[in-house]
Amino acid sequence: QLQLQESGPGLVKPSETLSLTCTVSGGSIITSDYYWDWLRQPPGKGLEWIGSVDHSGNTWYNPSLKSRVTMSVDTSKKQFSLNLSSVTAADTAVYFCARHPLYFNIDVWGRGTTVTVSS
Amino acid sequence: QSVLTQPPSVSAAPGEKVTISCSGSSSNIGNQWVSWYQQLPGAAPKLLIYENNKRASGIPDRFSGSKSGTSATLGITGLQTGDEADYYCGTWDGSLTAGVFGGGTKLTVL
Repeated sequence: QLQLQESGPGLVKPSETLSLTCTVSGGSIITSDYYWDWLRQPPGKGLEWIGSVDHSGNTWYNPSLKSRVTMSVDTSKKQFSLNLSSVTAADTAVYFCARHPLYFNIDVWGRGTTVTVSS
Repeated sequence: QSVLTQPPSVSAAPGEKVTISCSGSSSNIGNQWVSWYQQLPGAAPKLLIYENNKRASGIPDRFSGSKSGTSATLGITGLQTGDEADYYCGTWDGSLTAGVFGGGTKLTVL
């Protein structure tokens, strides 16, 4: 069964870049049937889609975050990554990596990792 | 402000039925498949319903989904205390070219 695991720093300073990696296990990252996602959930708030990347490196970003987001994929390591630049306290959240098929139904989620933006 | 609109909370007694609404527009729910997610406290969301009304693997038939026009509904029958969670609707918005969610509905089983 496919599993996703987020990794990265739990604390990031304001104005710096948040970098997270998601490792795929129990299945292939090289598939045209799925897209690989990043989402986040600020404390006490709802879900926000950050963006998606496919195995070829094509990306789709949330327009509200597009100027600060970069996503990439490393098929040799079975990983995909998120960079969010110029972070502020508003970027403090639990960050989830996930997967969805052709239609936007997120069928596999990582456990999530908490990222706090603070000096 | 979420693109999709859900009631902040709903409640019902054990054994009863509850519905959760999700309202959108022609750029999202009106022309896209809708999915529903359950998020237990401290856990990642879990897919319940996809493509409007299909139950994900392992989801009991107490959970159902429907869509009409630009609105979707999640139904839960035979409520159990273990159903207490936050529930989210989600879909793709063709105008925004983005995944969008409702603000979430907290279900309390009294």
